[in-house]
Amino acid sequence: DADVTQTPRNRITKTGKRIMLECSQTKGHDRMYWYRQDPGLGLRLIYYSFDVKDINKGEISDGYSVSRQAQAKFSLSLESAIPNQTALYFCATSESPTGELFFGEGSRLTVL
Amino acid sequence: RKEVEQDPGPFNVPEGATVAFNCTYSNSASQSFFWYRQDCRKEPKLLMSVYSSGNEDGRFTAQLNRASQYISLLIRDSKLSDSATYLCVVSSGSARQLTFGSGTQLTVLP
Repeated sequence: DADVTQTPRNRITKTGKRIMLECSQTKGHDRMYWYRQDPGLGLRLIYYSFDVKDINKGEISDGYSVSRQAQAKFSLSLESAIPNQTALYFCATSESPTGELFFGEGSRLTVL
Repeated sequence: RKEVEQDPGPFNVPEGATVAFNCTYSNSASQSFFWYRQDCRKEPKLLMSVYSSGNEDGRFTAQLNRASQYISLLIRDSKLSDSATYLCVVSSGSARQLTFGSGTQLTVLP
């Protein structure tokens, strides 16, 4: 089984719907991240969490919210999805600030 | 200007060739540097960290030039399996946030 698991892997939804992407990890890392990847733009940080009580906005947090339910779980929500949120979303974990990032397999979201 | 810039390529090279990628970064206070590899439709994975003195891992060599604010990745004796997108990653700020370049696409041809 993967150390970092994302669900769903693929989702097609309509504008205005609420969407939740879930991430769970078995690596025991405190630090968790949500990124989105768009062609030509690389990965951009949406939110990050250094422990259960610590949530921080990243570069592009508008339109998104997160919940750190436990050390192992970090969820990303789109309260009212819009087409320009169509992207590939990655959850990642790390042990330290400059440590290796371990990514989930990604969640491909399409908003029509 | 983007914080981390890479030539998007694509680089198409024959097997056995040597290929080099450069990456420039804008924040002179950046502290740590990495190369990640991303296969098509897969998640990124760490290829190697980049140290001030330069470092080598088999066929891969990474260099850092702080004065000119760029890092490089050299791949010798390219293999078909090296075909991927290579992401330059830079760590900056008190929270050591990682900024990703948009990636350089490499295709190694038989």
